[in-house]
Amino acid sequence: EAQVTQNPRYLITVTGKKLTVTCSQNMNHEYMSWYRQDPGLGLRQIYYSMNVEVTDKGDVPEGYKVSRKEKRNFPLILESPSPNQTSLYFCASSFRDGLLNYGYTFGSGTRLTVV
Amino acid sequence: RKEVEQDPGPFNVPEGATVAFNCTYSNSASQSFFWYRQDCRKEPKLLMSVYSSGNEDGRFTAQLNRASQYISLLIRDSKLSDSATYLCVVMMDTGRRALTFGSGTRLQVQP
Repeated sequence: EAQVTQNPRYLITVTGKKLTVTCSQNMNHEYMSWYRQDPGLGLRQIYYSMNVEVTDKGDVPEGYKVSRKEKRNFPLILESPSPNQTSLYFCASSFRDGLLNYGYTFGSGTRLTVV
Repeated sequence: RKEVEQDPGPFNVPEGATVAFNCTYSNSASQSFFWYRQDCRKEPKLLMSVYSSGNEDGRFTAQLNRASQYISLLIRDSKLSDSATYLCVVMMDTGRRALTFGSGTRLQVQP
């Protein structure tokens, strides 16, 4: 089954304790991206990757890191989490066929609480 | 002004009704357009892409008017399972491929 898999689904952590949210896709998509969703603010892009070893900042990158060592994996790293990073996080992947952009497929989400 | 604007609703409609959602976007350079649905606390799921010629998928019809920067979604013969939040989404044709989401329109289909 074609899918984007995120882990963990739920995470409660303390301020300053480094954590990684994993993301893996089995569709051989070039593009991957991380979004966070907050009430009243909607979904906002954190980081994106156009392909292996190619990553760049989105709209709200502060406090996050990513890596893309393999095409299928795109982990999100919070080096020193803070309470304002409490949010619902989604990983997504997509591809482009010539001039046609295909929409993203999203993972099931990670609900992170930083206390 | 928000980049993508939608009526937040909620739209409360009876089963079998036809309901229309509208969306406007501010950046005329936007290239790709989508409707997603999102159930409470779950991931957005792609409902359909939207093309200038208009497109239909079963009970769902999407329209795009580039001149007016306006996107619409029509749902015919509403089902209880259509209850969700519908997100209007645009994408710039840049390397970033960032999706810009509207705040969503909530639909509640009632028996």
